[in-house]
Amino acid sequence: QVQLQESGPGLVKPSQTLSLTCTVSGVSISGGDYYWSWIRQPAGKGLEWIGQIYTSGSTNYNPSLKSRVTMSVDASKNQLSLKLSSVTAADTAVYYCASPEGYWGQGTLVTVSS
Amino acid sequence: QTVVTQEPSLTVSPGGTVTLTCASSTGAVTSDYYPNWFQQKPGQAPRSLIYSTNNRHSWTPARFSGSLLGGKAALTLSGARPEDEADYYCLLYYGSTQHWVFGGGTKLTVL
Repeated sequence: QVQLQESGPGLVKPSQTLSLTCTVSGVSISGGDYYWSWIRQPAGKGLEWIGQIYTSGSTNYNPSLKSRVTMSVDASKNQLSLKLSSVTAADTAVYYCASPEGYWGQGTLVTVSS
Repeated sequence: QTVVTQEPSLTVSPGGTVTLTCASSTGAVTSDYYPNWFQQKPGQAPRSLIYSTNNRHSWTPARFSGSLLGGKAALTLSGARPEDEADYYCLLYYGSTQHWVFGGGTKLTVL
């Protein structure tokens, strides 16, 4: 059974870097060159695609976030990571990771506030 | 800036059929946009229903089907149940810039 679990600080100060990890179980991240995605959702609003990373390391990012986003894969730990720099209150959201087979994590709430 | 448009809200009667659509500001949606559809219930993570236009996951009920209709991606629900009341989001791929865009979502009421 494939499971994804997002984790990271629930509170980040403005201008700092948001760092999240997605731990995958039930399937090996390095099992093929597929893409894994990050998505976010502000409270009461719709979904926003942040970007995707292939297990080979190739990435594609949302053009509106591209200058601030970095994604990486740690195959040895079966984990994905997301970093978003220079955060503001507008980055407050529930952050999700998703697998190529369509599985999603439960999401983690990140609040940007001083 | 690319915009993906969905109906803000729709209502369907129990047992009825409803079609949700997904339009792109760039023009007609084709299979090259690899339309995906997601269902989200209050307080839950989204769940993938349809990928690549019309492919169901193993967990997707057969009453949900995806298609292309009049230049848009479409999700048809046949035989609506109360548990289908949820927000539905489409997702389109833009190959020229290699990025995906979500629609704004449709709030489906079964009443």
